[in-house]
Amino acid sequence: DILMTQSPSSLSASIGDRVTITCRASQNIDNYLNWYQQEPGKAPHLLIYGASNLDSGVPSRFSGRGTGTDFTLTISSLQPEDFTTYYCQQSYSTVGGYTFGQGTKLEIK
Amino acid sequence: EEQLVQPGAEVKKPGESLRISCKVSGYNFISNWIGWVRQMPGRGLEWVGIIYPGDSDARYSPSFQGLVTISADKSTTTVYLQWTGLRASDSAIYYCARHGVDASKTWRYFDLWGHGTQVTVSS
Repeated sequence: DILMTQSPSSLSASIGDRVTITCRASQNIDNYLNWYQQEPGKAPHLLIYGASNLDSGVPSRFSGRGTGTDFTLTISSLQPEDFTTYYCQQSYSTVGGYTFGQGTKLEIK
Repeated sequence: EEQLVQPGAEVKKPGESLRISCKVSGYNFISNWIGWVRQMPGRGLEWVGIIYPGDSDARYSPSFQGLVTISADKSTTTVYLQWTGLRASDSAIYYCARHGVDASKTWRYFDLWGHGTQVTVSS
């Protein structure tokens, strides 16, 4: 099974800050890495797929990078609506499931 | 409009059976895999399993294998997640989600989500 580890688990930042969340896979997953945003009480929604491709309608302040085992999600200038929780997910192998990271909660400082 | 519609809540007692639904509309039912994701109270997302509605080929996370069953009904364009002996620890929100692929058919991701079903198991 592929284990996905996100860091940090929580992060405090201010509006306008640039922040980066890291996701590490326990084995090579090429670029099969997705990022989701989940607001409280709502279903997650897709931000980035294939490590760096923004889903339709996602603001350009979001960006993703990485390949192999190490990936990042960067928000270039935090907006009030960005203070919520983010998850990475690998879609490389169904053996063990397309596993998620444990999540990163972004809080306003 | 493409939608996955789920009931809002189900309340059951330990040991009871339950089947929750995910009604697909607005796109070809057999064109995409559909998955289930669990979110326990205050916790993260867990991948339960996926099914291809065209032939009901289902894959499960080892954590859920043997504990749940995923099925699909082409006549009603509905996907189901089923338990035969619920436990209190099954209490969670369960989301269904469509497994999309990009135009190049390279990347795989959940691109359409239901609102989730809150399952509560309590005596």
